[in-house]
Amino acid sequence: GAVVSQHPSRVICKSGTSVKIECRSLDFQATTMFWYRQFPKKSLMLMATSNEGSKATYEQGVEKDKFLINHASLTLSTLTVTSAHPEDSSFYICSARDSLRDEQFFGPGTRLTVL
Amino acid sequence: AQSVAQPEDQVNVAEGNPLTVKCTYSVSGNPYLFWYVQYPNRGLQFLLKYITGDNLVKGSYGFEAEFNKSQTSFHLKKPSALVSDSALYFCAVSSDYSSASKIIFGSGTRLSIRP
Repeated sequence: GAVVSQHPSRVICKSGTSVKIECRSLDFQATTMFWYRQFPKKSLMLMATSNEGSKATYEQGVEKDKFLINHASLTLSTLTVTSAHPEDSSFYICSARDSLRDEQFFGPGTRLTVL
Repeated sequence: AQSVAQPEDQVNVAEGNPLTVKCTYSVSGNPYLFWYVQYPNRGLQFLLKYITGDNLVKGSYGFEAEFNKSQTSFHLKKPSALVSDSALYFCAVSSDYSSASKIIFGSGTRLSIRP
């Protein structure tokens, strides 16, 4: 199957700093990528839809200025958590759409811990 | 708006016994339903999906799911559980069959198979 990578896999940062998470489709082009946040009690929440070359579409309740999404190429989307706080600590997962196979593939996730 | 409910936080089954993980959905229009599995510290893996056709869908690792329109359910089943099936299982729904559409996830059910 297709491979989607995320970098870093784990990051610890101080409160007030910004953290960038990368999502890459390794063997296909992805015009659409999705960012999810997984809370400690397991539920997976869709944060935003990232479209290559255009602005991301955010779900209701997600602060676009806090979670900056850039989808600058067909294989890369980035999520930047700005001015991170401890409550932003979570597991962030991306998925990428393979338009040829019409399937979404998920990355392995990034564990963010804000001290 | 679409939503999906997984009423059980945890399901415990003895190895060799059949297992069922429950899921009900709510969507306007035709539902497109998915099951994903997540192993510890890893991303989501696709198990199966229902788009149209036969109500019984067969997927990876011997899993299957039955679509029941009248009960708005899409329960995941396996005739004989393995210890290696222990993981977190997510039911998901989309309002469109295209992979470009966002997928909404349930809260997850932790499946524990005892030897």
